[in-house]
Amino acid sequence: AQSVTQPDIHITVSEGASLELRCNYSYGATPYLFWYVQSPGQGLQLLLKYFSGDTLVQGIKGFEAEFKRSQSSFNLRKPSVHWSDAAEYFCAVGGVSSSARQLTFGSGTQLTVLP
Amino acid sequence: EPEVTQTPSHQVTQMGQEVILRCVPISNHLYFYWYRQILGQKVEFLVSFYNNEISEKSEIFDDQFSVERPDGSNFTLKIRSTKLEDSAMYFCASTPIVTRQGWTDTQYFGPGTRLTVL
Repeated sequence: AQSVTQPDIHITVSEGASLELRCNYSYGATPYLFWYVQSPGQGLQLLLKYFSGDTLVQGIKGFEAEFKRSQSSFNLRKPSVHWSDAAEYFCAVGGVSSSARQLTFGSGTQLTVLP
Repeated sequence: EPEVTQTPSHQVTQMGQEVILRCVPISNHLYFYWYRQILGQKVEFLVSFYNNEISEKSEIFDDQFSVERPDGSNFTLKIRSTKLEDSAMYFCASTPIVTRQGWTDTQYFGPGTRLTVL
């Protein structure tokens, strides 16, 4: 069964600082990987996705993520955080088999941005 | 840009009552999903729907739940007799295509319906 681990429940950074949110996955085949962001009272917005090809993917709002197969990781990064980035971030994994079309989400990382 | 919409944004109901949560997926999408997120917990898959039938469902999706696409635009989740533990945010999602390999591409989520069962 596929699973996703986000080891950091809560991260606090200062505005302008760099950010890295960790995500590790367990999946028996090539995974499809996603990062979603959820602002308070809002739905899930897709930040970026990895299906194949270049392991460094660019997303919206200046975010990027790197797929590392050897480490089963898909960490999210941003070089300079803005106050509006404060939200909850979810990593998710999906697959290609008929039993794996649904997304499996991590437990989320809450990001607080200090002025 | 087209969006998935959900109504109502907040539903309060008494335990044992039936509720219907409504979603309008993006118009050219073919695959539809319901997920739920209990407060403070992970987003969990409930069910997927394709070609007017359930494609997959999780163990959470028991006989109390049903889904329907009553017309060409709406996609509904019905809970027949709500329990306290059904209180959660319910998200609808849709995806545009089904590839030959079976992958349904990126899922686009609606803003959610917060269900409170008293």
